Amino acid sequence: EAQVTQNPRYLITVTGKKLTVTCSQNMNHEYMSWYRQDPGLGLRQIYYSMNVEVTDKGDVPEGYKVSRKEKRNFPLILESPSPNQTSLYFCASSLWASGDQETQYFGPGTRLLVL
Amino acid sequence: QQQVKQSPQSLIVQKGGISIINCAYENTAFDYFPWYQQFPGKGPALLIAIRPDVSEKKEGRFTISFNKSAKQFSLHIMDSQPGDSATYFCAASKANAGKSTFGDGTTLTVKP
Repeated sequence: EAQVTQNPRYLITVTGKKLTVTCSQNMNHEYMSWYRQDPGLGLRQIYYSMNVEVTDKGDVPEGYKVSRKEKRNFPLILESPSPNQTSLYFCASSLWASGDQETQYFGPGTRLLVL
Repeated sequence: QQQVKQSPQSLIVQKGGISIINCAYENTAFDYFPWYQQFPGKGPALLIAIRPDVSEKKEGRFTISFNKSAKQFSLHIMDSQPGDSATYFCAASKANAGKSTFGDGTTLTVKP
């Protein structure tokens, strides 16, 4: 079954305590991305990766880091979380062909609360 | 500066009616315009997408209309059903370039 998995699904942490949210896909997609979703603000892209070792900033990268050491995994790292990073986070992977996004899958989301 | 503006914020339609959601973009470099559907507690799902070389794309009851000169595109849901009740997001990006910008979302309620 094609899927994007995220862990953990729920996380409560305190300001300044480093955390990592993992994302893994089993479809051999080259493109992966991270979004945060806040009420009334839609989805905002944090980082994206076009392939292994290729990452770039989205619209709201401040306070986040990513790495893409292998195709299937794209972890999101918060080195020093702050309360304004409390949000719902989604990871996604896509297959692009001939300029069209043929398929895209989103993970189930990670709900993060930073106290 | 919001690059993709979506309206309305919420929409109530009777079963069998037509739901219309509009989006406007600013960056003329965008050349890929998808729509997503999200049910409560779930991740978004890619619904339908269009490139600017066509003015309309239809998939089942879902149609995207695209107006390049006005920099606007819209989602039409024909014969709306209660099961279509969800939040819909438009987005815009440069195809194959990775970066994408979303609208703020429209909550659609289809009344039986």
